[in-house]
Amino acid sequence: AQSVTQLDSHVSVSEGTPVLLRCNYSSSYSPSLFWYVQHPNKGLQLLLKYTSAATLVKGINGFEAEFKKSETSFHLTKPSAHMSDAAEYFCVVSDQKRFYFGSGTKLNVKP
Amino acid sequence: EPEVTQTPSHQVTQMGQEVILRCVPISNHLYFYWYRQILGQKVEFLVSFYNNEISEKSEIFDDQFSVERPDGSNFTLKIRSTKLEDSAMYFCASDPDGRDTDTQYFGPGTRLTVL
Repeated sequence: AQSVTQLDSHVSVSEGTPVLLRCNYSSSYSPSLFWYVQHPNKGLQLLLKYTSAATLVKGINGFEAEFKKSETSFHLTKPSAHMSDAAEYFCVVSDQKRFYFGSGTKLNVKP
Repeated sequence: EPEVTQTPSHQVTQMGQEVILRCVPISNHLYFYWYRQILGQKVEFLVSFYNNEISEKSEIFDDQFSVERPDGSNFTLKIRSTKLEDSAMYFCASDPDGRDTDTQYFGPGTRLTVL
């Protein structure tokens, strides 16, 4: 069975400082992993995905994530936060039938 | 860029009433999904739909729920007799061909409030 744990429900950073949003997964086989972002009153937008190619995945808006099989982690990072990054972020694991969502991490960016 | 659209953005209904939530998936996609998010909880899978039939459904998707693709563009979720606990944000998604590596493209959601 697949599951996802997002370790922080809220993360607060200052503009210009690094962002780290943590995600651990459980999967019975080699997973496909995604990060989605949701801005207020908007749909879920894909940031990036891992599908067993390169373990370091680059996404939109300067975000990237590293797949670490030994740690069953897929943490999302960005070197320098921007005010527009304030949103809720969801880590997702997929099997062939459905998506399994983490509980989400709300990112607050302080000026 | 093509988008998944959903209507209405917010639906308020009385307990026991039927509601239909509408979605227009991306036009060349073959797999369609409904998810829901109860306030403060995780986004949960409800159902997937392919080739005019349900391909998988979760334990949440009981006889009160049904899905349909009534024409070539719309994909609907019907709740026959709404309960208070059906209040949630409902997301529609679509993907090109249902592989686990596929990105699912999500709509903006319909917020359903059952009074």
